[in-house]
Amino acid sequence: SYELTQPLSVSVALGQTARITCGGNNIGSKNVHWYQQKPGQAPVLVIYRDSNRPSGIPERFSGSNSGNTATLTISRAQAGDEADYYCQVWDSSSVFGGGTKLTVL
Amino acid sequence: EVQLVESGGGLVQPGGSLRLSCAASGFTFSSYWMSWVRQAPGKGLEWVANIKQDGSEKYYVDSVKGRFTISRDNAKNSLYLQMNSLRAEDTAVYYCARDIVATIYSRYFDLWGRGTLVTVSS
Repeated sequence: SYELTQPLSVSVALGQTARITCGGNNIGSKNVHWYQQKPGQAPVLVIYRDSNRPSGIPERFSGSNSGNTATLTISRAQAGDEADYYCQVWDSSSVFGGGTKLTVL
Repeated sequence: EVQLVESGGGLVQPGGSLRLSCAASGFTFSSYWMSWVRQAPGKGLEWVANIKQDGSEKYYVDSVKGRFTISRDNAKNSLYLQMNSLRAEDTAVYYCARDIVATIYSRYFDLWGRGTLVTVSS
């Protein structure tokens, strides 16, 4: 079965740029989707099909996907961006990465 | 308002059964695939099952095959998950999610409920 690898944690200084990676075998050939989950809340879709933002998601959130790595980039990080972030692909079924905890310092 | 609201969770003994429900509102429920996704305490997300718009196709993660059954009632805008032979490892928050089929190779979840907690313990 297909596996997605994410770092357990990423830290970013307030106002700086955070990058969260999602690794998978030739993941660039797949569409990657990203979810934000704050403590005690349901996940929220923040990026779909590699680089598209749903309505209501700030432009500070962007995504890219190439080779064996997809990346979620959060520009001008804010305290409210602290959350767990999950990548997801479709490979005969939905597969999620293990999640990355983003800390804004 | 577009929303999904789950119910039916609770404490159940190993080997027991539970039926989860998800009430959809604010959109045309019958036009969408729907899924259940779960999250064990302190762990990541795991897709559990999904069902086609008319209920003619259903798919499950291997760990629940033969024990869980997904169903829907489009007249009631409701999604269900019948869980039998429950195990401790089924303990999780269960989320109902709207399943977007972008292409045959790309699917994602654009709307989630708040979840309902299922605890399997003696």
